[in-house]
Amino acid sequence: NAGVTQTPKFQVLKTGQSMTLQCAQDMNHEYMSWYRQDPGMGLRLIHYSVGAGITDQGEVPNGYNVSRSTTEDFPLRLLLAAPSQTSVYFCASSPTPEAEKLFFGSGTQLSVL
Amino acid sequence: QLLEQSPQFLSIQEGENLTVYCNSSSVFSSLQWYRQEPGEGPVLLIALYKAGELTSNGRLTAQFGITRKDSFLNISASIPSDVGIYFCAGRGGSNYKLTFGKGTLLTVNP
Repeated sequence: NAGVTQTPKFQVLKTGQSMTLQCAQDMNHEYMSWYRQDPGMGLRLIHYSVGAGITDQGEVPNGYNVSRSTTEDFPLRLLLAAPSQTSVYFCASSPTPEAEKLFFGSGTQLSVL
Repeated sequence: QLLEQSPQFLSIQEGENLTVYCNSSSVFSSLQWYRQEPGEGPVLLIALYKAGELTSNGRLTAQFGITRKDSFLNISASIPSDVGIYFCAGRGGSNYKLTFGKGTLLTVNP
């Protein structure tokens, strides 16, 4: 039972490079979301999706793009990486948008030099 | 919608009880407590839905405030495996966004 799978686990980028953080869930969850975790800042919502083809912004969306072409996948794209995007990124899903329990992946640690 | 957690850091001896607090100026329709172990994503501990609700999960007890603006999480008889970061998270109004507090880092000394 895989649950929520994030790849890669670690990534180092240079300023200006682009990359995609992958997130996949095998639980047929409608709701998927991306958070970033920074020291002393807790978890901050970047983008979320309530179903395939539907996405919306969270509290810190600038510099990130998302799409949801299938129920299973919710990739997060950094188009022009900046040092301020150095963080640990978590993908989370839940059965429905209203469901209280979020299932988290194990995170991607990203460093932008 | 901001959630303020206190304390930010907590270091206790094994066997002691502890309480973590979560407060906001906003009203939440539900409030949850998560624990994050090093290198992992957060895991749900307790979810609260009704004002004044008191819920237990083993050695953990949490209550949702009457005004739906605050909560506490109590852990009794702490053990070393309780270490981690504890987050409160609230869902407000009609949106689908879950707002997290900044977390409380707990260490338990044997």
